[in-house]
Amino acid sequence: AQKVTQAQTEISVVEKEDVTLDCVYETRDTTYYLFWYKQPPSGELVFLIRRNSFDEQNEISGRYSWNFQKSTSSFNFTITASQVVDSAVYFCALSGGLKAAGNKLTFGGGTRVLVKP
Amino acid sequence: DTEVTQTPKHLVMGMTNKKSLKCEQHMGHRAMYWYKQKAKKPPELMFVYSYEKLSINESVPSRFSPECPNSSLLNLHLHALQPEDSALYLCASSRLDRGRIQETQYFGPGTRLLVL
Repeated sequence: AQKVTQAQTEISVVEKEDVTLDCVYETRDTTYYLFWYKQPPSGELVFLIRRNSFDEQNEISGRYSWNFQKSTSSFNFTITASQVVDSAVYFCALSGGLKAAGNKLTFGGGTRVLVKP
Repeated sequence: DTEVTQTPKHLVMGMTNKKSLKCEQHMGHRAMYWYKQKAKKPPELMFVYSYEKLSINESVPSRFSPECPNSSLLNLHLHALQPEDSALYLCASSRLDRGRIQETQYFGPGTRLLVL
């Protein structure tokens, strides 16, 4: 069975502070994919980043960066210099196995980020 | 373009009503998904269609009936719903790779459903 845990339920920061969201996952699949999605109050889930299990290279994309560590089964996400528009619920998700019939995403419980001006 | 559209945005229905939710994408994706999301919870998968055929049904009650008339459209027919079915219903789509790749799912804005 797959499981994604986001231990932080809510984080509150002041604008321009950095925010790091933790994500720990469990899977028995040898090939899997990890995702981060953002859900603003409007409700739409916005895709942010995707990493696969055989590529542990960490990257930076604009104000977003992520730290994927297979040894600790963690996939943490950082927003640098946060802005009010970053206020949203952030979901970490896992998709595993080799399936040609569509993939099932397992979501973590979500972390609500509140950025205050 | 990674746009998935959903209509209506809001829906209020009684327990004896029949209604339908619609989802459309023009990205050429051959997998489409329905998710249900209750307040303060993550989305839960309901159905997956691949190549216009139902491939995954997560033991959803029969009062929810999905339909995929073509590769761009996905419907969710609702009948005799219960108040606990009130939720945000999200549609998503993704490419399909018959090999190894788990493709990214792109989500629509959702339909907020209230069952009275």
